Amino acid sequence: QSALTQPRSVSGSPGQSVTISCTGSSSDVGGYYYVSWYQHHPGKAPKLMIYDVNQRPSGVPDRFSGSKSGNTASLTISGLQAEDEADYYCCSYSGTYSNAVFGGGTKLAVL
Amino acid sequence: QVQLVQSGAEVKKPGASVRVSCKASGYTFTSYGISWVRQAPGQGLEWMGWISGHNDNANYAQKLQGRVTMTTDTSSSTAYMELRSLRSDDTAVYYCARRGGGYWLGPWGQGTLVIVSS
Repeated sequence: QSALTQPRSVSGSPGQSVTISCTGSSSDVGGYYYVSWYQHHPGKAPKLMIYDVNQRPSGVPDRFSGSKSGNTASLTISGLQAEDEADYYCCSYSGTYSNAVFGGGTKLAVL
Repeated sequence: QVQLVQSGAEVKKPGASVRVSCKASGYTFTSYGISWVRQAPGQGLEWMGWISGHNDNANYAQKLQGRVTMTTDTSSSTAYMELRSLRSDDTAVYYCARRGGGYWLGPWGQGTLVIVSS
């Protein structure tokens, strides 16, 4: 199964906003509203940040938001904080495989 | 609170099998599925598959078909993932996670390191 395409790294200064893209196809990101995003600090368990494209689980700050346009989903983090520095992964249901597929991951640096 | 607790680290030889357990608490086990995800050293997350929490329906990633089996024991709210014919590139941290209807995963277990080495 091919991974969804994410930028390898993004960076921003505290207080700024950054957007991480996740590009797939009409068989996954573009065809379903089942896109989720995960924050992963090395050595810890990944954490669900966004589900169903733009829904935020309870406890996740509203600085995190999700959207989708065509075959590309996006995670936007506003008001960057030092603790946001982590790896971020998108995930989508794939109709081709009747299963889910992850993006390759994006390392966010807060400079 | 919802919690998933996994079994401890394993060291296996090539060709052997490994079984990782994942005990759930804090929610109705049969109302959600359990997914398994792994992360090899220096690599990203890889979806391995998922199993229903209330029946034996399971769906595995194509590349693992024939080598992986996921099961559940509803009496103890525990899920299991068995991987057979281990190879060195199966060395990874293996995570279980509660799976929601839209293929979202949360929360996750703490991870189980499996090392395959001769």
